[in-house]
Amino acid sequence: ELKVEQNPLFLSMQEGKNYTIYCNYSTTSDRLYWYRQDPGKSLESLFVLLSNGAVKQEGRLMASLDTKARLSTLHITAAVHDLSATYFCAVDKSDGGATNKLIFGTGTLLAVQP
Amino acid sequence: DAGVIQSPRHEVTEMGQEVTLRCKPISGHNSLFWYRQTMMRGLELLIYFNNNVPIDDSGMPEDRFSAKMPNASFSTLKIQPSEPRDSAVYFCASSLRRATNEKLFFGSGTQLSVL
Repeated sequence: ELKVEQNPLFLSMQEGKNYTIYCNYSTTSDRLYWYRQDPGKSLESLFVLLSNGAVKQEGRLMASLDTKARLSTLHITAAVHDLSATYFCAVDKSDGGATNKLIFGTGTLLAVQP
Repeated sequence: DAGVIQSPRHEVTEMGQEVTLRCKPISGHNSLFWYRQTMMRGLELLIYFNNNVPIDDSGMPEDRFSAKMPNASFSTLKIQPSEPRDSAVYFCASSLRRATNEKLFFGSGTQLSVL
């Protein structure tokens, strides 16, 4: 059974600081997604990582994927308050082909303090 | 495009009542997913359809839950009878299962409260 774990579960950080959220998964998959969820809102897609070594950046967020280690990271650079949200990673439960059947991690609640 | 549309946004019902949640996927998308989100269990995949056909319903918790997709633009998730432990946010999502970098687009969710 595919399991997806994130850490930390909760992250309080000051504006201007850097930090990394980690996402580990238990079985082979070449497709990993990062989503953002604001309180009471839906999930917004941030990144799609499709291969080993893939790196994508958008503003202050950068995501990477190491399929051999079954690890993805979401790095936050010089955090600002607007980044406060819950971040989820999700792994495609592929059965030999992309299914978009995603198994989500536990989520990391990020609170950026002024 | 209006995105994935779910209704109702909020539903409050009493235990034992039937509840029907509705979803309209993004036009042209051929895969549809129902997820449930709770504090205790996080985001759980309940069922997904490909080209209107249910492919995997292993996440459906009990026989009280059923889902249908009569056509490419409409799906329902029904709970009968509902129980307090069904209280959660139910999300519908759709995608186009074709390109390798396709992603799920989520609706706004239905907040269900069963009293």
